[in-house]
Amino acid sequence: GAGVSQSPRYKVAKRGQDVALRCDPISGHVSLFWYQQALGQGPEFLTYFQNEAQLDKSGLPSDRFFAERPEGSVSTLKIQRTQQEDSAVYLCASSSRGTGETQYFGPGTRLLVL
Amino acid sequence: EDQVTQSPEALRLQEGESSSLNCSYTVSGLRGLFWYRQDPGKGPEFLFTLYSAGEEKEKERLKATLTKKESFLHITAPKPEDSATYLCAVISGGYQKVTFGTGTKLQVIP
Repeated sequence: GAGVSQSPRYKVAKRGQDVALRCDPISGHVSLFWYQQALGQGPEFLTYFQNEAQLDKSGLPSDRFFAERPEGSVSTLKIQRTQQEDSAVYLCASSSRGTGETQYFGPGTRLLVL
Repeated sequence: EDQVTQSPEALRLQEGESSSLNCSYTVSGLRGLFWYRQDPGKGPEFLFTLYSAGEEKEKERLKATLTKKESFLHITAPKPEDSATYLCAVISGGYQKVTFGTGTKLQVIP
């Protein structure tokens, strides 16, 4: 079956622009996670959805970051007024049930803010 | 707060030279420890999940083990295609988030 897909794969934005990153989880997976990965670092948790409910957004670095999953499937991570420090790879992962289950990752979106 | 420390940061092996990667963790109530492989420009690829001390899992040339304080990823007779960054992650207690280490970058030379 299809894995987790993300789009776009690469995004270049001018500082101050808004961006939207999309994640299509594995079909039927209840849980969806967003991570931010800086170069040479491990992924860092941003937020977590169970179906359409956002149960944890403690990792979002500022109020410029917003995530939604309105129908419990596809999710969008939006970054408003992008800053250079937002440049990173944004990874999406999904799991079949709760957070103790194995998470399967997408290929990531590489964001570069100029 | 959960902490995960991986060592070494980088490891260079000759093809066929077996070794081990270490993942030390500090958590309150481990619910699971995960090993992932990440190739450049790609997302992490799942390898293993371990749930309790004493548990071991194997896949081809890789074997993961777990104690109450650390996990090891043993690589037996590695091949160049095993070159990648290996990430360790934990989930604990009632928290929803997974905490990753910074990874070990493995290079296997023919």
